[in-house]
Amino acid sequence: DADVTQTPRNRITKTGKRIMLECSQTKGHDRMYWYRQDPGLGLRLIYYSFDVKDINKGEISDGYSVSRQAQAKFSLSLESAIPNQTALYFCATSDLSAGGSEQFFGPGTRLTVL
Amino acid sequence: ELKVEQNPLFLSMQEGKNYTIYCNYSTTSDRLYWYRQDPGKSLESLFVLLSNGAVKQEGRLMASLDTKARLSTLHITAAVHDLSATYFCAVGTGTASKLTFGTGTRLQVTL
Repeated sequence: DADVTQTPRNRITKTGKRIMLECSQTKGHDRMYWYRQDPGLGLRLIYYSFDVKDINKGEISDGYSVSRQAQAKFSLSLESAIPNQTALYFCATSDLSAGGSEQFFGPGTRLTVL
Repeated sequence: ELKVEQNPLFLSMQEGKNYTIYCNYSTTSDRLYWYRQDPGKSLESLFVLLSNGAVKQEGRLMASLDTKARLSTLHITAAVHDLSATYFCAVGTGTASKLTFGTGTRLQVTL
């Protein structure tokens, strides 16, 4: 079984709709992250969380919100989707105690906003 | 603001040839990561470099880190088609374990 899972894997939605992307992990890691990937731009950090009570904005948080429901779950919401939020979204985890801060990525969610 | 630049952005090479991908970054860091991404897939961790002079090798790939020059390299030896993918470097900063990614190098190994 995959250590980091994301649902849905693909989503097509319309402008103005609110949608939620979900991430779950069985790695027992305390830190979780949401990135978006656009062609030619690499990955950019949207939000990150150290634990259930700690949420931090990344470099491109406008138009997004997150919820850390449990250590193992981190959800990303688009309040009112717009076409330029069409992208590939990745969730990642890391373990504070392991040192090195290596991040492990989920399979990604391809989101299309029409 | 930390900037991470990779070059080249696209690399087409023949099987059996050697080549190097470069990753430059703009602020002090001693944590550098290399990832591989196949088309439509997730990112797979290749190397974690945590100190100046660190060198790691796995198969035909070797990564190194020079923190004074703010430069990491990913060297490919005797390329094979299976290495075709996009390679990203990422720089770690601060205590938050945040990573800043380069834009990636798309490697195409031709037969």
